Amino acid sequence: SQKIEQNSEALNIQEGKTATLTCNYTNYSPAYLQWYRQDPGRGPVFLLLIRENEKEKRKERLKVTFDTTLKQSLFHITASQPADSATYLCAPLSGGYNKLIFGAGTRLAVHP
Amino acid sequence: DAGVTQSPTHLIKTRGQQVTLRCSPKSGHDTVSWYQQALGQGPQFIFQYYEEEERQRGNFPDRFSGHQFPNYSSELNVNALLLGDSALYLCASSSLADLGDEQFFGPGTRLTVL
Repeated sequence: SQKIEQNSEALNIQEGKTATLTCNYTNYSPAYLQWYRQDPGRGPVFLLLIRENEKEKRKERLKVTFDTTLKQSLFHITASQPADSATYLCAPLSGGYNKLIFGAGTRLAVHP
Repeated sequence: DAGVTQSPTHLIKTRGQQVTLRCSPKSGHDTVSWYQQALGQGPQFIFQYYEEEERQRGNFPDRFSGHQFPNYSSELNVNALLLGDSALYLCASSSLADLGDEQFFGPGTRLTVL
């Protein structure tokens, strides 16, 4: 069955450093991969989408890579800030309908 | 634009009861998906509605059913509630025309089954 793995342990980093989150998937080949941010008790908020024919996508301090050979996506936040503290969810999406399969998420804590 | 709205915010039920959750999609969106998120887990896909029909379904029992109305709003019904149904239920809307684009999530309904 389709499986998505994200860093299960929380990631603690110092303000100003770059946070790197990993998403690995198995048993399918997603046409797109999305990243969402979720704050406690709230719904996920879309951050970035990357397509299978794109190697890298950037948006302000965010960067996502997509390696279809390794079946992996990396999510980077540069110059991290305490306000970036949240859970980040990876959601590869297979072609067809907008059905998202989420990983468990990685909790990021940025310390001043 | 109010975005995706869900009601109620919180709900407490007892085992065996039935519950109905409601969702209004973002203006211009015609597709509604429902997700269940247990504590510490990522959202799990329940089903998706488009043109008032269930288009896809995740690995959830028939106790979970839904409906979409002509105005694209949607309901999620859960019968014979179990303790394990306690979770945050999320509704997400999107447009079929924008395949692969972002989904907009509502704030969720927190369901507690006692």
